[in-house]
Amino acid sequence: DGGITQSPKYLFRKEGQNVTLSCEQNLNHDAMYWYRQDPGQGLRLIYYSQIVNDFQKGDIAEGYSVSREKKESFPLTVTSAQKNPTAFYLCASNMGTGELFFGEGSRLTVL
Amino acid sequence: GQQVMQIPQYQHVQEGEDFTTYCNSSTTLSNIQWYKQRPGGHPVFLIQLVKSGEVKKQKRLTFQFGEAKKNSSLHITATQTTDVGTYFCAPTYSSASKIIFGSGTRLSIRP
Repeated sequence: DGGITQSPKYLFRKEGQNVTLSCEQNLNHDAMYWYRQDPGQGLRLIYYSQIVNDFQKGDIAEGYSVSREKKESFPLTVTSAQKNPTAFYLCASNMGTGELFFGEGSRLTVL
Repeated sequence: GQQVMQIPQYQHVQEGEDFTTYCNSSTTLSNIQWYKQRPGGHPVFLIQLVKSGEVKKQKRLTFQFGEAKKNSSLHITATQTTDVGTYFCAPTYSSASKIIFGSGTRLSIRP
């Protein structure tokens, strides 16, 4: 079935460690997005990519990094520079400005 | 940056009552999408509005896009317990730009 796969679903990290969240899509979508959601809050855009080998910062890019080497993959690295990384991370993709398809999300907890 | 205001933040209604959430922008939108997120889940696409003054219906849900393309609303008639969740608007400001999200309206229902 076509869709978006995020992994891991749950992740625990010690302070000072970098972690990478995986996002893979087989929908042949050009654009991919990473959003962060804190408890009871909305979705804030971290990074987005509209084409392979190109990506742009969203509203809260500090402390995060991404790559887009393949159309189907858009991994997000949460670096030690991110001061408050505990959150729910959602990856999404779409064609043009159409419907966003979301993965199931990754819950990151910093111990 | 570009921001959209979504109100109210919370709404608690008796089952069978109506519900409305509003999304307002200070600048003209290219289009607007609406999503529903159940507790613990990921956002799911409901609809996209593109034309000035557009009105679309999905069973008990009515979506409107303002004449100036700066505001939008989602109205649910006769709420049911299955309507529980958070409703987000997601505007796009130009034809090739990122999709951001409003802060959401959390709907809870008394049976």
